[in-house]
Amino acid sequence: EAGVAQSPRYKIIEKRQSVAFWCNPISGHATLYWYQQILGQGPKLLIQFQNNGVVDDSQLPKDRFSAERLKGVDSTLKIQPAKLEDSAVYLCASRRRLGETQYFGPGTRLLVL
Amino acid sequence: AQSVSQHNHHVILSEAASLELGCNYSYGGTVNLFWYVQYPGQHLQLLLKYFSGDPLVKGIKGFEAEFIKSKFSFNLRKPSVQWSDTAEYFCAVSPYNNAGNMLTFGGGTRLMVKP
Repeated sequence: EAGVAQSPRYKIIEKRQSVAFWCNPISGHATLYWYQQILGQGPKLLIQFQNNGVVDDSQLPKDRFSAERLKGVDSTLKIQPAKLEDSAVYLCASRRRLGETQYFGPGTRLLVL
Repeated sequence: AQSVSQHNHHVILSEAASLELGCNYSYGGTVNLFWYVQYPGQHLQLLLKYFSGDPLVKGIKGFEAEFIKSKFSFNLRKPSVQWSDTAEYFCAVSPYNNAGNMLTFGGGTRLMVKP
């Protein structure tokens, strides 16, 4: 089966600009996650969706970050406006059901100048 | 909230050497434990996991990990490493009733195996 797809793979923007990332999970996977991985650190969960509903967004900086999963499949993560400290790899992961493995995509590497 | 600590940030070994990567977690309740690996240029992938039962779990590629509840530890081991094990290794924990939801990751250990 195809894996988790993410685009773009790389993005360079200037601070205060906006950026959006896209994720297509594995077919049939109800749960979708967005993680932020800053260089030298482990991934940190930003938001979790179950189908098209938000399960947990407690670590999402809501003043600048937003995410949606309108039809319970693809998801987008947006940053508006970006700050220097948002430079990181943004990982998308999906899981079929509770208790099963999370599968990760290749990530989008964001550099904010 | 849970937290995970990986003591070694960088490890360099020669082929055939034995490997042990430390992982300690902090959480007030029962946990599920995971080791993920990221090979150069590849995605994060699951190496092994512990949910319950035998505290010694075996994963892919000859890796194993032992859950020691009294020490809040879940160390990763391999008796004889290969050059192809060069990668970054992440320990992760989730609350037991979440069974893989809400993973909290450690900072990672970068392993380099010299041929």
